[in-house]
Amino acid sequence: QSALTQPASVSGSPGQSITISCTGTSSDVGGYNYVSWYQQHPGKAPKLMIYEVSNRPSGVPDRFSGSKSGNTASLTISGLQAEDEADYYCSSYTSSSTLLFGGGTKLTVL
Amino acid sequence: EVQLVESGGGLVQPGGSLRLSCAASGFTFSSYWMHWVRQAPGKGLVWVSRINSDGSSTSYADSVKGRFTISRDNAKNTLYLQMNSLRAEDTAVYYCARGIVGATIWFDPWGQGTLVTVSS
Repeated sequence: QSALTQPASVSGSPGQSITISCTGTSSDVGGYNYVSWYQQHPGKAPKLMIYEVSNRPSGVPDRFSGSKSGNTASLTISGLQAEDEADYYCSSYTSSSTLLFGGGTKLTVL
Repeated sequence: EVQLVESGGGLVQPGGSLRLSCAASGFTFSSYWMHWVRQAPGKGLVWVSRINSDGSSTSYADSVKGRFTISRDNAKNTLYLQMNSLRAEDTAVYYCARGIVGATIWFDPWGQGTLVTVSS
């Protein structure tokens, strides 16, 4: 299976909002409400930011939100802060009962 | 505090073997599915394998099927990944991660990772 499709990079200024897309197929993103998003700072382990499309784990700021429409899921970060600069990965459960990640998106806070 | 600590990474020659360990603490290890995820240098995340709560069911990515074996010792709160017939393309940081019971859906938390380098 090929990775889910994410833009290689996005950028925004502090205080602005950005959206990262994650496109799959009806066998993964479109078929299940099991999309998750992870934040990874350089040299660090990934951190769960959103699970099951739009749920935030305890401790994740409400500036982070998730949604899905058809085969595309989205992560929106509002009120960008310097510490949000990181790589972001989406993932989805698949019809093969496995998990597929996106290729990752590098967020730059200008 | 929930914590996962990997160990066992290192340099190994192509065709060689390595066993990774992941020590869990701060939660009831035997209640959770556990996973291995890897990340090649400068690349994205790739799910590798999962094991159910009591170790009776496992699943693997096609790229490692037949070469890697996931297992767990619930008495020792430890997850393992036995890697055989290693190839250069297996070079990556390997993370263990806690899943939920019943499906491979999301992972939280992750360990800090252990680097495996396959090279002659």
